[in-house]
Amino acid sequence: DAGITQSPRHKVTETGTPVTLRCHQTENHRYMYWYRQDPGHGLRLIHYSYGVKDTDKGEVSDGYSVSRSKTEDFLLTLESATSSQTSVYFCAISDLTGGGYGYTFGSGTRLTVV
Amino acid sequence: ELKVEQNPLFLSMQEGKNYTIYCNYSTTSDRLYWYRQDPGKSLESLFVLLSNGAVKQEGRLMASLDTKARLSTLHITAAVHDLSATYFCAVDPTNFGNENLTFGTGTRLTIIP
Repeated sequence: DAGITQSPRHKVTETGTPVTLRCHQTENHRYMYWYRQDPGHGLRLIHYSYGVKDTDKGEVSDGYSVSRSKTEDFLLTLESATSSQTSVYFCAISDLTGGGYGYTFGSGTRLTVV
Repeated sequence: ELKVEQNPLFLSMQEGKNYTIYCNYSTTSDRLYWYRQDPGKSLESLFVLLSNGAVKQEGRLMASLDTKARLSTLHITAAVHDLSATYFCAVDPTNFGNENLTFGTGTRLTIIP
């Protein structure tokens, strides 16, 4: 996980509260992603960013927002947490130099909404 | 919408045996990735397949890509316990290399001594 860190690693929050997860990279990669992982669904893309202030929605973006004010930081916010957002959240980074090296993943954040 | 399907979803096999995990996808793509995930851990890149007929091997694992059939396989040779993990394939649906990957649901592999 060198070069990419997620915080917090674990969080328990109450329904209806806002929650922000942070992804920080030191690789200066242009692309950053937020996925959620749930049993039976694999990983599903929430939002991604292709540069500072440039973000777009993924497959399961409802209830989530993101911000990227610096190359190194990509924040995921659950505006009003619900139990269906209990999941493991992974951040990933990608360096698109044409070599197609795929993603490097962070360690994940386990979020429980009670 | 791109769909990526893996078979089987669960696989229990004995040490020393050979087996294959299949990854089918529903749209044209020349870029396919395999990842490994240990329980409670993050995903680790195994293979990157970037063209039809690509074959990559690392130890007891070999991955191949048939873009015409929209199929990738991950072959395990003479399985050992250390290979127990969940394996994911992922496809780049754009084929332009922007790597918004769509993942399969994963294959949980358990190697029994």
